[in-house]
Formats: sequence, structure tokens, C-alpha cells
Amino acid sequence: DSGVTQTPKHLITATGQRVTLRCSPRSGDLSVYWYQQSLDQGLQFLIQYYNGEERAKGNILERFSAQQFPDLHSELNLSSLELGDSALYFCASSVGTTLYNEQFFGPGTRLTVL
Amino acid sequence: AQKITQTQPGMFVQEKEAVTLDCTYDTSDQSYGLFWYKQPSSGEMIFLIYQGSYDEQNATEGRYSLNFQKARKSANLVISASQLGDSAMYFCAMRANTGNQFYFGTGTSLTVIP
Repeated sequence: DSGVTQTPKHLITATGQRVTLRCSPRSGDLSVYWYQQSLDQGLQFLIQYYNGEERAKGNILERFSAQQFPDLHSELNLSSLELGDSALYFCASSVGTTLYNEQFFGPGTRLTVL
Repeated sequence: AQKITQTQPGMFVQEKEAVTLDCTYDTSDQSYGLFWYKQPSSGEMIFLIYQGSYDEQNATEGRYSLNFQKARKSANLVISASQLGDSAMYFCAMRANTGNQFYFGTGTSLTVIP
């Protein structure tokens, strides 16, 4: 158990819908990262927050948005869902943002868009 | 641009033997961190080992060691005395100052044969 929690574990929804994925980092970790893992794209970095502020942005679609709240939990919002958004979404956390801070991953949320 | 390359999509190893999983990286940064993660079939991502670009000694964590060859830009993972539970996907990752995000390779699927 990495100490990172993600809810829900599974999510099944329809095209065009909007969903929210939630992540609580490990105690003491200020940085949160979101990743999308699909069979054809591999593990793709989406976005990173540090202590409530956006720090880095990767291949995140405009239909997707995220935020980190004062209690450090984070939410990833996915809207106008398409079939191709079906994937495993990981949240990870680290103490800081230096090169030497390893990330600890949550169990993931498996999203299925029908 | 930052890039991680894992050229072995699949590997097989006999139980109790050692195995090397290849990883090469590309960055123009002088300071960077290299990480290996394990993803079992259950889906979670497990941090295994870290190597800093300025570390002169190869990192070791139990049965895992990282064969770091800076001039060749390679960071191979060596697993000694393979166990059946080592069967999983293994991902190499890098973090550099430029971009300030983690870059992951496409992974290597390791199967340990009894």
C-alpha cells in the first residue's frame, strides 16, 4: 500500500458524459501528478500540482481539467467523454518537486466509456 | 527533448536466474533522476529503485540494482535471483529539470518461468 488513495476504483459511463476522479496523496506529500495509461499510448503524464498550484502540464486534453485543494487532495475532471478516453488513470504523489523525489502511485481508477 | 527508450517488449527468465532490463535515456540536462517501477497484473505501480545523475555508485535495493552508465545514457535494471512474483511490467522513468515532469518508457513485460 503506497498510501495514495484514489476513488472510485472503477467507473463506467457513456460518451458525452462528465466524470470526476479523486486522489488523496500520501501524508506529508505536497505534489500530485495525474497519468493516463492506455494500451496504445502507454503511460502519459497529464498534469502536476504542488501545494495547490499547477507546476507542469503534459499531454492533457482541453476537455480535461484538474485542481488541488487546500487539504492537498486533487480531482481530475474529464468532460465530453469519448470512447478513446477509456483508460486507467493514476494519481501519484511525492514530497516535493526535486529530481530526487520518487513518486508513489495510487491504485488507479479504471474508466470505461461506452 | 527528454526521452526514455525500452527496447525489450517482453523478456523471459528462469526462476532463480538474474535478468537485465534495458533502459536508455536522452536528455541535455546535467541533473536528472532515473527511476524504475514495477506494474503487476493487478495494475498498481510500485517504486523499485532510484539513481541520481551525480551518484557515482550504482543504486541497489535488495535484489534490484541499477547499472548506470552515464556516458552511454543507460540505466539498466538488474534483478537477481528471479522469483515468480517478479513477473510484471517494468517501467523506466526519468525526471529532469527541463519540463519538470516524469517521462516513462513503454515498459518491458517480464515473465519468470518455474
